Amino acid sequence: SQQGEEDPQALSIQEGENATMNCSYKTSINNLQWYRQNSGRGLVHLILIRSNEREKHSGRLRVTLDTSKKSSSLLITASRAADTASYFCATDAGGNNRLAFGKGNQVVVIP
Amino acid sequence: DGGITQSPKYLFRKEGQNVTLSCEQNLNHDAMYWYRQDPGQGLRLIYYSQIVNDFQKGDIAEGYSVSREKKESFPLTVTSAQKNPTAFYLCASSITGANSPLHFGNGTRLTVT
Repeated sequence: SQQGEEDPQALSIQEGENATMNCSYKTSINNLQWYRQNSGRGLVHLILIRSNEREKHSGRLRVTLDTSKKSSSLLITASRAADTASYFCATDAGGNNRLAFGKGNQVVVIP
Repeated sequence: DGGITQSPKYLFRKEGQNVTLSCEQNLNHDAMYWYRQDPGQGLRLIYYSQIVNDFQKGDIAEGYSVSREKKESFPLTVTSAQKNPTAFYLCASSITGANSPLHFGNGTRLTVT
């Protein structure tokens, strides 16, 4: 199955700064999703962006999708300590109605 | 409150024993999934089900079994054939599958010694 690959793998920033992370994938997709995971918990869905969309916003989150480069980015603006978590991208590139996840990107926001 | 419930949160077993992890949802979702997460790793798909009484193998199904007798329930059995069963197991559901958001439970951490 195809998986998203996030970059960078780990990010440490000061509260108030912006955090950007990228995700690349290998084959055509119908949609790409971003999730957040706090330590020891389940994943929480953040944003779903479809292949015919280029940008999507949700509160302080901005997701872009470039299907020509097979990549997506997640921007968290004005970060807060509560944004400390791991962030995963997932695609339906594997087909058969299943989602494949990347390895995740750990973000630490220092108060 | 609608959601997914995984139980127990922590599970300890001796090597050679089968163990069943529970996953229940009251979201009326058709699709359900089991993922395994190892430290510092992404999620790997074990099994998924798009409808009652039907399920498909994921990428790492060996040593695992599932059933989907009710829409609300998708239990996962970790058998003694699974070589490295110690992991964090996550259950998820979605309305239609990969084209809609997944809702996750809070996971079961299984330790086998």
